[in-house]
Amino acid sequence: QSALTQPASVSGSPGQSITISCTGTNSDIGTYKYVSWCQHHPGKAPKLMIYEVSNRPSGVPDRFSGYKSGNMASLTISGLQAEDEADYYCSSYTSSNTWVFGGGTKLTVL
Amino acid sequence: QEHLVESGGGVVQPGSSLRLSCAASGFIFRGHAMHWVRQAPGKGLEWVSFISYDGVREYYADSVRGRFTISRDNPKNIVYLEMDSLRTEDTAVYYCARDLSYHYTYDLWGQGTLVTVSS
Repeated sequence: QSALTQPASVSGSPGQSITISCTGTNSDIGTYKYVSWCQHHPGKAPKLMIYEVSNRPSGVPDRFSGYKSGNMASLTISGLQAEDEADYYCSSYTSSNTWVFGGGTKLTVL
Repeated sequence: QEHLVESGGGVVQPGSSLRLSCAASGFIFRGHAMHWVRQAPGKGLEWVSFISYDGVREYYADSVRGRFTISRDNPKNIVYLEMDSLRTEDTAVYYCARDLSYHYTYDLWGQGTLVTVSS
């Protein structure tokens, strides 16, 4: 159950776009469409932003989009806003009937 | 409004036991599987355990298997996490999360409860 691999930090200016990568294996991202992304402001409850690779729950702006190819998934945030500054985690279902998170990426809006 | 509220955290010594509770409201609890996820200080999120909507299936992370037990009481709308043989590395904020049915992810989270294991 090794964690998925994410960059520790990314940054961008308001209005710009950023992409966060998430690398797994054939036992998780490479096999299943069950890749999701959540946003976590420290001290608050995490919030689901993307599920099943590219689907947005109701209420999540279309500035957030997801993609997957092979063992890697990505989250793109376009038109960055100050309130997007948070920690972002990818997660995947695995072939062991478990779930695994990425190490998290801290997004800084400059 | 849909809510999850965790309770039962605290400071305990290594080797001790603790039971966490997560009370659900505002949705049909018996229709959803549930998860526990934790976050150690300064670390990322770690998936801990899953229980199916009917309590029949339980899954655990390797780090807690054999020490933690997940259960649920559907009439009371509560999911539990019984933690035994606690270790210092179990120190974390523990979140319960609702499973988004058929999509294998978590769509509603609680605010978390802090468990500190220290001598």
